[in-house]
Amino acid sequence: EDQVTQSPEALRLQEGESSSLNCSYTVSGLRGLFWYRQDPGKGPEFLFTLYSAGEEKEKERLKATLTKKESFLHITAPKPEDSATYLCAVQAHYGGSQGNLIFGKGTKLSVKP
Amino acid sequence: ETGVTQTPRHLVMGMTNKKSLKCEQHLGHNAMYWYKQSAKKPLELMFVYNFKEQTENNSVPSRFSPECPNSSHLFLHLHTLQPEDSALYLCAAGDPGASETQYFGPGTRLLVL
Repeated sequence: EDQVTQSPEALRLQEGESSSLNCSYTVSGLRGLFWYRQDPGKGPEFLFTLYSAGEEKEKERLKATLTKKESFLHITAPKPEDSATYLCAVQAHYGGSQGNLIFGKGTKLSVKP
Repeated sequence: ETGVTQTPRHLVMGMTNKKSLKCEQHLGHNAMYWYKQSAKKPLELMFVYNFKEQTENNSVPSRFSPECPNSSHLFLHLHTLQPEDSALYLCAAGDPGASETQYFGPGTRLLVL
């Protein structure tokens, strides 16, 4: 069964304290792995898509990496405005959920000034 | 107006009411999606429409009835809902087979009394 597990559930950082969020996945042939940011009461905002192991993408203080079993979202020198819930999703080539996004529960990040 | 819009943003309804949620996308994508987001749970895919044809119904109760009159508009008709249906309902648009990325609207926060 295709599934996504994100850890930790919640993460509290001080401003400037770098850290990483983890997304572990089991999927029948990875078609793509997606990271989204979601602010309270709003829809998810697209951040990155990764397609193959070894791939990396960066945007401002965020860097996403991918291996065959997991993805990391590295946050360098975070600021309070980076506080949000970060969602990971995978898309499979095969199986009953083929083509659909399967989401994890998310990691709620709080960055204190 | 750009992106994906949803109306209303907030909705309170009784269990005997009938209401509809509306989604409109200005991205020119061919597929539209309805998701349900409940606290402490991953996003749950409800329905998928591709080129106005329903391609996925993820075992959703019949009290939820989708409608896709064209590739830019998507509706979710609600009737005789239960309190456990209270959630954030998200619409997304995407291009399966192309970039695969789904872009989300701001959601409708639904409360069923």
